[in-house]
Amino acid sequence: SAVISQKPSRDICQRGTSLTIQCQVDSQVTMMFWYRQQPGQSLTLIATANQGSEATYESGFVIDKFPISRPNLTFSTLTVSNMSPEDSSIYLCSVTGGNTEAFFGQGTRLTVV
Amino acid sequence: QQQVKQSPQSLIVQKGGISIINCAYENTAFDYFPWYQQFPGKGPALLIAIRPDVSEKKEGRFTISFNKSAKQFSLHIMDSQPGDSATYFCAARGDTGFQKLVFGTGTRLLVSP
Repeated sequence: SAVISQKPSRDICQRGTSLTIQCQVDSQVTMMFWYRQQPGQSLTLIATANQGSEATYESGFVIDKFPISRPNLTFSTLTVSNMSPEDSSIYLCSVTGGNTEAFFGQGTRLTVV
Repeated sequence: QQQVKQSPQSLIVQKGGISIINCAYENTAFDYFPWYQQFPGKGPALLIAIRPDVSEKKEGRFTISFNKSAKQFSLHIMDSQPGDSATYFCAARGDTGFQKLVFGTGTRLLVSP
């Protein structure tokens, strides 16, 4: 299984600011996925990040709001831009392991005030 | 067609009892069906997964039953313990790790002592 480290684990941010979340994996992976989990809700995919190409965003999510970087096969960042209280959620990084199993980081709990 | 419907939304089971959570899907291209367990403040952890070439998979106290013709699958937790109290998500995906997971809405399980 892959070990995924996310930073920060939690943050409280002012509205209008931006936060960058880091995801580090202990092995090289082709695909990395970013999810949002609103309080008490299920997981919603924000985007899929391939190394060396632009991220693919799901309906309802745009690059200007959630820019993603994927500089190498073990690292990715998600930025939540111009935050509002509606962005308060848990943001999760996920990767697919060798057996196509999907693993998740511990998540970043974001509160926007 | 991309939805995965999960029920019940919440479940209370006595210690030692059987917990049963059900999921249904529409997309016949789905070929991988994992279950995730999530404790408060943690990311989802892969519990058990099944592919449609088998009707049942058992790992310890956890069993997935799969009915391909009905497009349904369920998680059974035998001898439920208070430590099993968590939120459980079913998910579905195409065969390769390059495809995104579609999650059910989650079931909050409480096992009473």
